[in-house]
Amino acid sequence: KAGVTQTPRYLIKTRGQQVTLSCSPISGHRSVSWYQQTPGQGLQFLFEYFSETQRNKGNFPGRFSGRQFSNSRSEMNVSTLELGDSALYLCASSMAGKDTGELFFGEGSRLTVL
Amino acid sequence: DAKTTQPNSMESNEEEPVHLPCNHSTISGTDYIHWYRQLPSQGPEYVIHGLTSNVNNRMASLAIAEDRKSSTLILHRATLRDAAVYYCILWGYGGSQGNLIFGKGTKLSVKP
Repeated sequence: KAGVTQTPRYLIKTRGQQVTLSCSPISGHRSVSWYQQTPGQGLQFLFEYFSETQRNKGNFPGRFSGRQFSNSRSEMNVSTLELGDSALYLCASSMAGKDTGELFFGEGSRLTVL
Repeated sequence: DAKTTQPNSMESNEEEPVHLPCNHSTISGTDYIHWYRQLPSQGPEYVIHGLTSNVNNRMASLAIAEDRKSSTLILHRATLRDAAVYYCILWGYGGSQGNLIFGKGTKLSVKP
């Protein structure tokens, strides 16, 4: 079956702009989470959505937001971009509620802020 | 979910076994031990997970200490494709991903 799909794969923005990233989970997966990965901080949790509701949120400023649609697809938005937002943004889906809790990650969207 | 401790890096020779350690002294009774790895320019991929008993799958084996305060991921015959960053994380049953702490992981280098 198709894996987790993230678009776009690469993008370049300038400070002050905003960006929207998209994630299509594996069919049947209802939980979608987002992570930010930078060389200095590693993988950091942004937020998790389940059935269109934000279930948990990491320690990021309000400029970072997200949403999930009825088909489980998810988007995250970063407004007023800063240089420090340059990172690889990863989306992961899972069948929430199962004891395996296995996460399936996409290949990520690499954002460069100039 | 508790934090884990892993060595920053390890080296191995191709076709030799690799033992990647992970300490999780504050693990709770409902925490599953998960391992993921991240190949260069890719998102992390699931490797294996377990609760109390040792586990085997086509990719690796997971050896869990009797007191569950440590575990070891075993790659039986390392290949060049196994060069990656390996993350050991704890995930409580039914728990939110918001509690997952990936840390920096162990960067495994495999020499031909």
